[in-house]
Amino acid sequence: GIQVEQSPPDLILQEGANSTLRCNFSDSVNNLQWFHQNPWGQLINLFYIPSGTKQNGRLSATTVATERYSLLYISSSQTTDSGVYFCALSGTGNQFYFGTGTSLTVIP
Amino acid sequence: DTGVSQDPRHKITKRGQNVTFRCDPISEHNRLYWYRQTLGQGPEFLTYFQNEAQLEKSRLLSDRFSAERPKGSFSTLEIQRTEQGDSAMYLCASSLNDRGTFGSGTRLTVV
Repeated sequence: GIQVEQSPPDLILQEGANSTLRCNFSDSVNNLQWFHQNPWGQLINLFYIPSGTKQNGRLSATTVATERYSLLYISSSQTTDSGVYFCALSGTGNQFYFGTGTSLTVIP
Repeated sequence: DTGVSQDPRHKITKRGQNVTFRCDPISEHNRLYWYRQTLGQGPEFLTYFQNEAQLEKSRLLSDRFSAERPKGSFSTLEIQRTEQGDSAMYLCASSLNDRGTFGSGTRLTVV
C-alpha cells in the first residue's frame, strides 16, 4: 500500500503561533484529505486537497502531487486547535491510508 | 441530518464473546467505510461498501470479522470470538463524493 509519513510527530505551540505540518507519501494519489482528531476522538474533515491550495479561515493546505507531499498551515493557533492531525490518501482503490499523525498541543 | 452515528459508544466484552456494532451513515451517502484505530496510530482501513455491495476488504479483516450493509443504508460490523488484540476504536465513515465524514466511533475493550 501507499506509505504515508507525517512530521513532526509532536508539536507544542504557544497560543497565537503559526505552524506547518507535513505529509509525505510514496505513490501517486487520487484523493488526499486532512483530518483533525479532537481530544474526544472525533475526526473532523478539514480539507479535500489532492492537488493545489485551499484556505479555510486560519487553516490552509497545499498539495504538490508531483513531489508527493502536502502541507497543512495553521495560523494564529488557538487552544481548540489541539489534537492530532492526520493526512489520509487513496490511490487507485477506495482504501484510505492514514499517516501516524501530528499531535499538536497549543498552550495558553 | 446529524451526521454519522455509531452505536454503542463503548463496549466491554469478555474474550471469546461476539460483538456487533452499528453505523448509520448520512442518509444520502452511498459510500461507507469501516476503520480500526489503536492508541497512538492512525485509523486502519477494514472494509468499504458502495451502496449494499462490499467492494473492498483489508487483510486485517480476518474470518472472525464480518460486515454487512443489507439495504445500502446502515451497516453492521460483527466480531466473533473476540480476542484481546481486537481492543480498539472502530470508526465508521460515509461519503457521497470524495470527502469522508466520520462517526464518533465505538471503543471496544476485550477483557
